[in-house]
Amino acid sequence: GQSLEQPSEVTAVEGAIVQINCTYQTSGFYGLSWYQQHDGGAPTFLSYNALDGLEETGRFSSFLSRSDSYGYLLLQELQMKDSASYFCAVRADSGYSTLTFGKGTMLLVSP
Amino acid sequence: ETGVTQSPTHLIKTRGQQVTLRCSSQSGHNTVSWYQQALGQGPQFIFQYYREEENGRGNFPPRFSGLQFPNYSSELNVNALELDDSALYLCASTTGTEAYYEQYFGPGTRLTVT
Repeated sequence: GQSLEQPSEVTAVEGAIVQINCTYQTSGFYGLSWYQQHDGGAPTFLSYNALDGLEETGRFSSFLSRSDSYGYLLLQELQMKDSASYFCAVRADSGYSTLTFGKGTMLLVSP
Repeated sequence: ETGVTQSPTHLIKTRGQQVTLRCSSQSGHNTVSWYQQALGQGPQFIFQYYREEENGRGNFPPRFSGLQFPNYSSELNVNALELDDSALYLCASTTGTEAYYEQYFGPGTRLTVT
C-alpha cells in the first residue's frame, strides 16, 4: 500500500519562510510532486522531484531524499495569496502512472 | 489556463440515481485520470485511461466506470449513487517522462447526493 504523511495545518505571517514536510511509504517510487489547491479550486502543479536534492522555482523550492522517503516544500517571502492547501503526491512507477496524494496541509498566511 | 474543462460544475442527485460527468483534456494529452476528493482530504485515484483503454484503477467499486473517446475527452459514470459519493470529482490530463511528470487538473464537478 501507499501512505503519505504531512502536517494538517501550518500558520505563518507575510514575508516569512515556511517548510511543509512529507514522508511516504510506498511499494514503488518514481518521484514526488507538490500541488497547490485554493479553496474550491483545481489542484495546480508546483514541482516534481525524481532525484535527490533541491529544485528551485521562484519563491518555491522542493527537496527530496529517496533514502529517507522524505521531501519538503519550502515557500519563501510568503504572500497572502499563498494561503491554500498543499499536497504532496507520489508517482509509484513509470508505466501505468498516476499519483497517490497525501491528505494535504492547509497553510494560513496572516498579515 | 490548463485547458482541461469539466461539466457540469455542480450537480445534485438523489441516492440510487446514476450520474455522468464529463472532461475535456488538455490538447495533445492522451492520458486522463479521474480522482474523487472528499472534503478536507486529498484527491483519491479512481481510474486512468490511455488511448481509450482503462489502464489502471484505484480502490473503487465497479459502479464507478468510465470512457475515453478518440478526441481524448472522457466520462465518469457512477451508478447506484450513495451518500458517501458526495465529493469533488476531478479529471486530470498527464504529460511526463521518466524525469518529469505533471498532471493538469480541471476545475472539478461538485456532486452532492441527498
